Amino acid sequence: GQQLNQSPQSMFIQEGEDVSMNCTSSSIFNTWLWYKQDPGEGPVLLIALYKAGELTSNGRLTAQFGITRKDSFLNISASIPSDVGIYFCAGQGNAGNNRKLIWGLGTSLAVNP
Amino acid sequence: NAGVMQNPRHLVRRRGQEARLRCSPMKGHSHVYWYRQLPEEGLKFMVYLQKENIIDESGMPKERFSAEFPKEGPSILRIQQVVRGDSAAYFCASSHLSGGTDTQYFGPGTRLTVL
Repeated sequence: GQQLNQSPQSMFIQEGEDVSMNCTSSSIFNTWLWYKQDPGEGPVLLIALYKAGELTSNGRLTAQFGITRKDSFLNISASIPSDVGIYFCAGQGNAGNNRKLIWGLGTSLAVNP
Repeated sequence: NAGVMQNPRHLVRRRGQEARLRCSPMKGHSHVYWYRQLPEEGLKFMVYLQKENIIDESGMPKERFSAEFPKEGPSILRIQQVVRGDSAAYFCASSHLSGGTDTQYFGPGTRLTVL
């Protein structure tokens, strides 16, 4: 099935450092979303992007919807230990019946206090 | 406002048994999605339902798997005659179409183990 290319696969950083991860696709999407998943839990929505070129922040998180609609990035500034987890990007097509999310394989983030 | 509820959180079945997974969407949400996640992988879409209708089942295996979202009560994902390869985490998401956007919120998942 279709899948997004998400990188890096994993990151190990020091507390206080900034983090950047990105997703690319061969298809265009109308919506890009970033989720975080903790072990044994469901994905939690971090940021939703609805327009090409849109730059949106949520606290220390910033994400952008690429102008080509085929990519997105997520930045985390001044990382803290509770940022540990797996971050997933997801793309969503047009409205109507094509609402399913297509997912990346995730970026595993470890933060050294 | 309660989030998406799923039960059971953990389910153990022997090969050949049936598994029933339940999902109650967020209040006011009329769209339900089911996804499957294998260990250390991303989520894979299975099926999209609205009340009493299957809208998109392109990700559902052709056999043994079925889903419903009745007028009253939770959405049910049913797996008949389970096999070891069905072992995975199954997540439900719900959404409410508003202003052209359709953001999906996820439940905690049901972890199915087939012995």
